Amino acid sequence: LAKTTQPISMDSYEGQEVNITCSHNNIATNDYITWYQQFPSQGPRFIIQGYKTKVTNEVASLFIPADRKSSTLSLPRVSLSDTAVYYCLQAGKSTFGDGTTLTVKP
Amino acid sequence: NAGVTQTPKFQVLKTGQSMTLQCAQDMNHEYMSWYRQDPGMGLRLIHYSVGAGITDQGEVPNGYNVSRSTTEDFPLRLLSAAPSQTSVYFCASSLDTPGDTQYFGPGTRLTVL
Repeated sequence: LAKTTQPISMDSYEGQEVNITCSHNNIATNDYITWYQQFPSQGPRFIIQGYKTKVTNEVASLFIPADRKSSTLSLPRVSLSDTAVYYCLQAGKSTFGDGTTLTVKP
Repeated sequence: NAGVTQTPKFQVLKTGQSMTLQCAQDMNHEYMSWYRQDPGMGLRLIHYSVGAGITDQGEVPNGYNVSRSTTEDFPLRLLSAAPSQTSVYFCASSLDTPGDTQYFGPGTRLTVL
C-alpha cells in the first residue's frame, strides 16, 4: 500500500492562506493525488484531486510539480470552520496515513 | 440519494462476541471499502471490494471478514471481538476505483470491553 508523508500539525489565523505539503516519492504513473478533509466524529470528505500542475476549485487549489513527488494543498483565507484534519492520498491502492491537523485561531 | 449509510451508529460488545457492521450505498458504485480509525490516528484500510462477488484484504484485515453479494451492500463481520478492535469504523464507496472520489458513511463507534 502506498503511503504519503505530511506534517502532523499546523496552526494558522483567520484570513491567512494555508499551504499543506505532502510527499509521495513512490507515486505510480497513473496515480492521481487526492485530498480529503475530516471533522471530528465525521467521515472524510473530498476536497480536490489532481494529476499534475495546478487544479483549483471553489474551496482550494492543488499544486503538483513536474516530478509529481510532492503536492501542496492551498486553502485561501482560512476561517475557524477550516479547523480539521487534512489527508493526502496517492490514489490507487492507498492508505490515508495520519493526516495534518490544521488549527485556525481567531 | 441517501449516499453511504452505516448501522449501527454505536455498539458495545464483550470480548469474544461477534457482530456485523452494515454498510449500504445507493449510488451504484462498484468500489467499496472499510476503514478503522483509532483515536488521534488516520484511517487504515481493512478490506475492500471492486465489485459484487470480489473482495480483497487491505492493511489490517485480521479479525474481520467481508462479503459482497450485491453492489449496494458491503457488511463487515467481527468474528470474535477483542479490545484491540475498539475503534471507529468507516465505510466508503467510489465509482470504480479508490482513485475516484470516495464517499464516506457517518461511521460506527465500536467499544469492546
